[in-house]
Amino acid sequence: QKEVEQNSGPLSVPEGAIASLNCTYSDRGSQSFFWYRQYSGKSPELIMFIYSNGDKEDGRFTAQLNKASQYVSLLIRDSQPSDSATYLCALITQGGSEKLVFGKGTKLTVNP
Amino acid sequence: DGGITQSPKYLFRKEGQNVTLSCEQNLNHDAMYWYRQDPGQGLRLIYYSQIVNDFQKGDIAEGYSVSREKKESFPLTVTSAQKNPTAFYLCASSIRYYNEQFFGPGTRLTVL
Repeated sequence: QKEVEQNSGPLSVPEGAIASLNCTYSDRGSQSFFWYRQYSGKSPELIMFIYSNGDKEDGRFTAQLNKASQYVSLLIRDSQPSDSATYLCALITQGGSEKLVFGKGTKLTVNP
Repeated sequence: DGGITQSPKYLFRKEGQNVTLSCEQNLNHDAMYWYRQDPGQGLRLIYYSQIVNDFQKGDIAEGYSVSREKKESFPLTVTSAQKNPTAFYLCASSIRYYNEQFFGPGTRLTVL
C-alpha cells in the first residue's frame, strides 16, 4: 500500500458548491498532516495543517482528520473558479525515520 | 521579505552538459530539499539536507549532485549522467527536517 493515496481526479464542481478532497494513509503513527495547493505551472503552497482529530477551519477551508480510519480531508466551501488547482496531501511519517511524504494530488476544477 | 528563491526560472541544456540550479532561503531554516516533478506526476525527492555541511540521497538521486556549504544555499547540479532531466525542479525548506515544507517558485529545465 502506498504511504499516501489520493484520487487523481479530476474533480469538477460548480461555483458555489462544496468541494471535498480526500486522502488516506498507511502509517498509523503519523501525527502531522498538511494540504498544499498547486496552480498549473506553479510551485505548491501550504494552505492548511492539522495535528489533532476533528475539524480545523480557516476561512472557506476545513481540514478534517480521522486517525482511527486513517484519512484526512479538505473541504472548500463556496468554491470559486480561483480554487481550480491540484491539491496535494502530505504527512509526516513516524515509522523509524521521520519524513514528509506527499500524495500525487487531486486536480480540482470549479466551473463558473 | 523572507522566502525561498530559485534561479533561473527557465533553463535550457544541451545533452551532455552539466547545469546547476540555484536555491537560496532567508528563513533561517535548517533543512532544505530538492524535488523533481514531471507532468501529471507527484513530487519525487532528489536530495535533502538536514543541516549545513550534511546531505542525504532521496528516492531518485542518480545523475544529480548537491552541496550545502552555507545554511542559506542548496544548489543542485544536474549532470550528464541524468538520462531524462527535462522536468520542473522544486526547492523547499523547513525549520527542522520533520516540519512542514515551504517551496520556492521552481526551475523548469528543458534538454534540447
